[in-house]
Amino acid sequence: KNEVEQSPQNLTAQEGEFITINCSYSVGISALHWLQQHPGGGIVSLFMLSSGKKKHGRLIATINIQEKHSSLHITASHPRDSAVYICAAVNYGGSQGNLIFGKGTKLSVKP
Amino acid sequence: NAGVMQNPRHLVRRRGQEARLRCSPMKGHSHVYWYRQLPEEGLKFMVYLQKENIIDESGMPKERFSAEFPKEGPSILRIQQVVRGDSAAYFCASSPGTLETTIYFGEGSWLTVV
Repeated sequence: KNEVEQSPQNLTAQEGEFITINCSYSVGISALHWLQQHPGGGIVSLFMLSSGKKKHGRLIATINIQEKHSSLHITASHPRDSAVYICAAVNYGGSQGNLIFGKGTKLSVKP
Repeated sequence: NAGVMQNPRHLVRRRGQEARLRCSPMKGHSHVYWYRQLPEEGLKFMVYLQKENIIDESGMPKERFSAEFPKEGPSILRIQQVVRGDSAAYFCASSPGTLETTIYFGEGSWLTVV
């Protein structure tokens, strides 16, 4: 069992839909990253959070430390949101860049 | 402020050759990280470096792989005597180094071993 699990693995949505991607982890963490990998392969960091909730534009990330669970929400989805979304945990006590990655959620938003 | 720069973007090597991948961190960032993404697999941590120091190399294969981040110049990931299994995307990332800060990724270097 992977230490960081994401669901769903694949997600297809219609433009405008509200989207939720889930991330569960089994290790103690000091922080969790949400990343976006574009179809061309480049990776963009969306959020880094250790508690609570963060919002940037149409993206919202939440984390529940007690339940070891994080979610990424996209409101009013758009075809340009189509990408692979990856959560990555910073193992508590580990070095800050030593991330444990989920396998990613491939999102496709249809017009 | 330029982002994390990686080169080459694409590299083809024959089995047994050496591959060198370069990474220039964002201006003001002193911490560099390398990750590998094998085909159809997730990202894996390889190594974490500061200037002239390796901080964490727990993800580096024991043989043929090495990394450096000299006082001057880019960080380099070096793979000696490449094999087909080394074919992957290699991502570099950087951060200013303070705890719990965003990590900024480069566009990646795609290595193909033929």
